[in-house]
Amino acid sequence: DAKTTQPPSMDCAEGRAANLPCNHSTISGNEYVYWYRQIHSQGPQYIIHGLKNNETNEMASLIITEDRKSSTLILPHATLRDTAVYYCIVRANTGFQKLVFGTGTRLLVSP
Amino acid sequence: DGGITQSPKYLFRKEGQNVTLSCEQNLNHDAMYWYRQDPGQGLRLIYYSQIVNDFQKGDIAEGYSVSREKKESFPLTVTSAQKNPTAFYLCASSSVPPGPYSNQPQHFGDGTRLSIL
Repeated sequence: DAKTTQPPSMDCAEGRAANLPCNHSTISGNEYVYWYRQIHSQGPQYIIHGLKNNETNEMASLIITEDRKSSTLILPHATLRDTAVYYCIVRANTGFQKLVFGTGTRLLVSP
Repeated sequence: DGGITQSPKYLFRKEGQNVTLSCEQNLNHDAMYWYRQDPGQGLRLIYYSQIVNDFQKGDIAEGYSVSREKKESFPLTVTSAQKNPTAFYLCASSSVPPGPYSNQPQHFGDGTRLSIL
């Protein structure tokens, strides 16, 4: 699986948009970009995934650059409950593919 | 509600003792997984199962065993051979659509924290 690079930490004010970047410059054509988050002492929570088009669901939006070498997860109106570690993962869609979690970005949402 | 239930939330093991962690899902998912997470680190895959009565070793299977007798259940046994079992254990599941291509996300339980007495 392709390696991903994320900033170790970010801060965001409550109510503002949180934009979390991820670099995956070695991504290949059959690899999807997945985002998960983990709140302290809980299991990871699936947020969103995409291949090359931008995606949006009730939790977040995913913006993937045209060359697919980077992406941004957008939480449009961050709340205190969004404080968590956010993981960007790339994974191929063929056969069995495990999830490889790096160290992620620790997002702190403050009042 | 559909989801993944792990029990117990906290577990203590004595030296030389085997312990079994429970994982049950009612999502009708075919695939199930066990991961281990150590403080400040990412998840590492222990075992996975794509179908009932079949499972494969992940990256760190030594000292662990699993069974998959029912679709909804995938228990993990931490044996005495696992020399450093203190960790946060996470179970996950995903659907497996027909065909060779799958982009289905994995969904996780809330974990079991295992400690050594």
